[in-house]
Amino acid sequence: KAGVTQTPRYLIKTRGQQVTLSCSPISGHRSVSWYQQTPGQGLQFLFEYFSETQRNKGNFPGRFSGRQFSNSRSEMNVSTLELGDSALYLCASRDSMNTEAFFGQGTRLTVV
Amino acid sequence: QKEVEQNSGPLSVPEGAIASLNCTYSDRVSQSFFWYRQYSGKSPELIMSIYSNGDKEDGRFTAQLNKASQYVSLLIRDSQPSDSATYLCAVKGNNNDMRFGAGTRLTVKP
Repeated sequence: KAGVTQTPRYLIKTRGQQVTLSCSPISGHRSVSWYQQTPGQGLQFLFEYFSETQRNKGNFPGRFSGRQFSNSRSEMNVSTLELGDSALYLCASRDSMNTEAFFGQGTRLTVV
Repeated sequence: QKEVEQNSGPLSVPEGAIASLNCTYSDRVSQSFFWYRQYSGKSPELIMSIYSNGDKEDGRFTAQLNKASQYVSLLIRDSQPSDSATYLCAVKGNNNDMRFGAGTRLTVKP
């Protein structure tokens, strides 16, 4: 069974640009969560999608948005990039709302 | 108060010793608790989950949960240098989102 797949693995963007990250969950998993990880702040929860609906949202500005498609793949978009958005972005999938989450390898975003 | 708190460490133990990692959480209605291991430059990997008060053992790992004290711990017996990593405590709250602690960095010295 394939694991959680995130693309791309690495990105370099310029301040003010926007970026879209993709996450394909484990087959059969309907829940996808996104996290931002930085050395100073640790793992910060961005949002969670379940069956194409956003179920939970963390405390991030509206520049961070996401969506989920009918095949459970999810995308995360960050607009008007700032230097502070440089981080490892991780997605995690679960097969229901009540089980363990499994992480993808992450997308490392660098904003210059 | 942070939702999930861990001692950031670093925690250093000699090879073969027991490593003890601790976590406290603020949401009293939390029902599910997890420990993840994250090697430098890698993504978190689930190593233990625990849902009921008491101990849960899996190989060299034992998770302990005390809901009354809002406390979760992870014991690693016979610690190996390959156990050197950051250990993340995660708590699933009442609204089903998972919140993570900042992690404890463990170093096992040969």
